[in-house]
Amino acid sequence: DTGVSQDPRHKITKRGQNVTFRCDPISEHNRLYWYRQTLGQGPEFLTYFQNEAQLEKSRLLSDRFSAERPKGSFSTLEIQRTEQGDSAMYLCASSFPWGKVTEAFFGQGTRLTVV
Amino acid sequence: DAKTTQPNSMESNEEEPVHLPCNHSTISGTDYIHWYRQLPSQGPEYVIHGLTSNVNNRMASLAIAEDRKSSTLILHRATLRDAAVYYCIPQYSAGNKLTFGGGTRVLVKP
Repeated sequence: DTGVSQDPRHKITKRGQNVTFRCDPISEHNRLYWYRQTLGQGPEFLTYFQNEAQLEKSRLLSDRFSAERPKGSFSTLEIQRTEQGDSAMYLCASSFPWGKVTEAFFGQGTRLTVV
Repeated sequence: DAKTTQPNSMESNEEEPVHLPCNHSTISGTDYIHWYRQLPSQGPEYVIHGLTSNVNNRMASLAIAEDRKSSTLILHRATLRDAAVYYCIPQYSAGNKLTFGGGTRVLVKP
């Protein structure tokens, strides 16, 4: 499968614990995005990278959240001191901008439950 | 980002056409109109995009109003596999983030 891969698919953690998610984009894609989606809502943008550079961060990305893409390939999203409000689906997408339009490819997401 | 308005939900019978409207009255002249859909328990997937002219692909057709303030995604013959949430997204520049609204939940009845 050469699509966007996310790991783990599901994570249950206790409030206050740290969690880390991994995203492996499509190999030739230089842009990588993280989104968060809660039940019944559309995905909300968190941050994106072009290669290893983090170009934009949403105000939703509090100081407890950090994302990295160290070699411009895979990316990790870490949430420190998790809160119940962090429970959501975390989606990763990748793209290779060409021309004037980009098609983003999404992974299946990591569902986080904070208890 | 341009604001969009879509109906919360629509129902269709299997093998009938579905017309999904989207209002994007604040769209700028350089924004492309993208449509994505999200099947249950899946990440969103690209459906179609357009700028000014109507567009067709294997999944759907996109009809864009002459003033570009609205567009309609057309599923010509809905199948049960088309049951999903459909998002209309104006995007002003390739590679920039997609800003999702609430989308339209399409229910397809057999």
